[in-house]
Amino acid sequence: EAGVAQSPRYKIIEKRQSVAFWCNPISGHATLYWYQQILGQGPKLLIQFQNNGVVDDSQLPKDRFSAERLKGVDSTLKIQPAKLEDSAVYLCASSLGQGIGELFFGEGSRLTVL
Amino acid sequence: EDKVVQSPLSLVVHEGDTVTLNCSYEVTNFRSLLWYKQEKKAPTFLFMLTSSGIEKKSGRLSSILDKKELFSILNITATQTGDSAVYLCAVSAGNMLTFGGGTRLMVKP
Repeated sequence: EAGVAQSPRYKIIEKRQSVAFWCNPISGHATLYWYQQILGQGPKLLIQFQNNGVVDDSQLPKDRFSAERLKGVDSTLKIQPAKLEDSAVYLCASSLGQGIGELFFGEGSRLTVL
Repeated sequence: EDKVVQSPLSLVVHEGDTVTLNCSYEVTNFRSLLWYKQEKKAPTFLFMLTSSGIEKKSGRLSSILDKKELFSILNITATQTGDSAVYLCAVSAGNMLTFGGGTRLMVKP
């Protein structure tokens, strides 16, 4: 079974530039999550989708971050304009249902903002 | 706001030692508690706990949940260098999964 795919694996940009990350979840998984993990900290949920609807985006900095999952399958997370404090690993995860079961994580996209 | 706190923040032990990692939580509408191991890449699943007092075991790792006192422990016996990682605790409440800050374990030969 293919796992959660993410790209790019690494990205270096300068502040005020924009960046986009892509995620393809495990086939059949209805729930998709984007987490931000800053070095030395646990993952922090940015946004959670159930199919193509948003379940929670309360911690997404909406002035600069946006995410979509138009057809209920793959998803993109965009940052525009980036700030230095956005340097982190962006983890995408998927699960069959909401909240109770195991999450399957992708390898992550490491962003460095200079 | 849901809260998950792990302790200690970091731990250094020698091979063969036994370690206990702690996770306490304050959440609304608790559903389950999950433990993950994170090496250099993505977190990998270890255990999911939903009932108090029932130990989950996998090889040298075991975990138990106390829903009255709102905590869980993860035990690793006869530690090996390959156990070096960050161990993450996450609590599922409502439709949300909230992670703790992790415990960084280093096992020295």
